[in-house]
Amino acid sequence: EVQLVESGGGLVQPGGSLRLSCAASGFNFNNYWMSWVRQTPGKGLELVANLKQDGSEIYYVDSVKGRFTISRDNAKNSLFLQMNNLRAEDTAIYHCARPVMRYFDWILSHFDYWGRGTLVTVSS
Amino acid sequence: QSALTQPASVSGSPGQSITISCTGTSNDVGGYNYVSWYQQHPGKAPKVLIYEVRNRPSGVSNRFSGSKSGNTASLTVSGLQAEDEGDYYCSSYTSRTTVIFGGGTKLTVL
Repeated sequence: EVQLVESGGGLVQPGGSLRLSCAASGFNFNNYWMSWVRQTPGKGLELVANLKQDGSEIYYVDSVKGRFTISRDNAKNSLFLQMNNLRAEDTAIYHCARPVMRYFDWILSHFDYWGRGTLVTVSS
Repeated sequence: QSALTQPASVSGSPGQSITISCTGTSNDVGGYNYVSWYQQHPGKAPKVLIYEVRNRPSGVSNRFSGSKSGNTASLTVSGLQAEDEGDYYCSSYTSRTTVIFGGGTKLTVL
């Protein structure tokens, strides 16, 4: 059974940092792109970052470029999101998700597995 | 890029059918057959119901069906059941390794 379990969320002041982790199990982690998707009551779902199996391709949504870093440790079946210089608008539930890629990794079709998420609250 | 447009809420009685629309542009929904739909219950992880407009993953009830016409995709839930109550999100490929989502629709089973 595929499982994605996030951790590392919490309350942080504006300008602060957090590191999220996602523990993956039930599939060959090495063979899959991985993503972080955040969810807020006001904006719904938003893809934050994608990372290819070997780390050679990365995508970030414009609003987090230069502040967030996605990474992975294939030996430990783990995905990470380092979040620096956090802003109030980064407050959200952050989900780890497994994207299904098509056409030689050119197209992201959908996400076939998601974690429940970890809550990040940015507030003074 | 703006989110896809979904109705905030829909409702129906048990046994009835409902349809949730998802409107985008020719740069997303209208331009590609990579529309997907997700169901989310409170405190749970989203679950994919439909991918690539009309395909159902193994294990998803055939009461869920998807379609697309022009820039609008639709999810139909037939034979409504109490367990169908929850939030529904659409998503579409836009460019390279990116997707955008709809704002979500709350389905209430009366």
